[in-house]
Amino acid sequence: GDSVTQMEGPVTLSEEAFLTINCTYTATGYPSLFWYVQYPGEGLQLLLKATKADDKGSNKGFEATYRKETTSFHLEKGSVQVSDSAVYFCALSDGASGGSYIPTFGRGTSLIVHP
Amino acid sequence: KAGVTQTPRYLIKTRGQQVTLSCSPISGHRSVSWYQQTPGQGLQFLFEYFSETQRNKGNFPGRFSGRQFSNSRSEMNVSTLELGDSALYLCASSRTSGGASYEQYFGPGTRLTVT
Repeated sequence: GDSVTQMEGPVTLSEEAFLTINCTYTATGYPSLFWYVQYPGEGLQLLLKATKADDKGSNKGFEATYRKETTSFHLEKGSVQVSDSAVYFCALSDGASGGSYIPTFGRGTSLIVHP
Repeated sequence: KAGVTQTPRYLIKTRGQQVTLSCSPISGHRSVSWYQQTPGQGLQFLFEYFSETQRNKGNFPGRFSGRQFSNSRSEMNVSTLELGDSALYLCASSRTSGGASYEQYFGPGTRLTVT
């Protein structure tokens, strides 16, 4: 079945540091890929997405490129801020998996940014 | 445009009781999905409703049930509560029930504590 693997957290960085959160996936077909962010006490918010190979999703300084050859969708940001502290979830949606588009989520990676 | 709303935000129940949680999707969204989020299991899919019909179901016991009304509002019910049901229950709405760019918009969740 489909699966998403994220790097274990927490990831602890100083403000203005470079961020990478690794995400790899296993899917039957050609999934769409997503990054969601969850701030403390809130639900998940869609951060960015990519629907086909080599697409780059970007939002709020975050970027991720859909790499079919390495089945990866790593999240990056050039300069993190304290306000980026949150839990980040990688997810895929694969309609080829029995016709259901229900997303498969990774376990989440906690990011802590210190001033 | 108002986001997804969930009520109540916090709930404390005793083992053996039942509970009903409510979700109001974004206006115009016809799909509502429910997830259980725990530190141990991460984000797990419960079920999805679209136009008052259950379209997909996760791997949860029959104690977990749901329904959707004609205005797309949804409720989920958990009967005979167990300690392990303590979790954050998230509702997510979507305009459609699938598609290559399937995007879900999450509510803030209901924090259920079973004692």
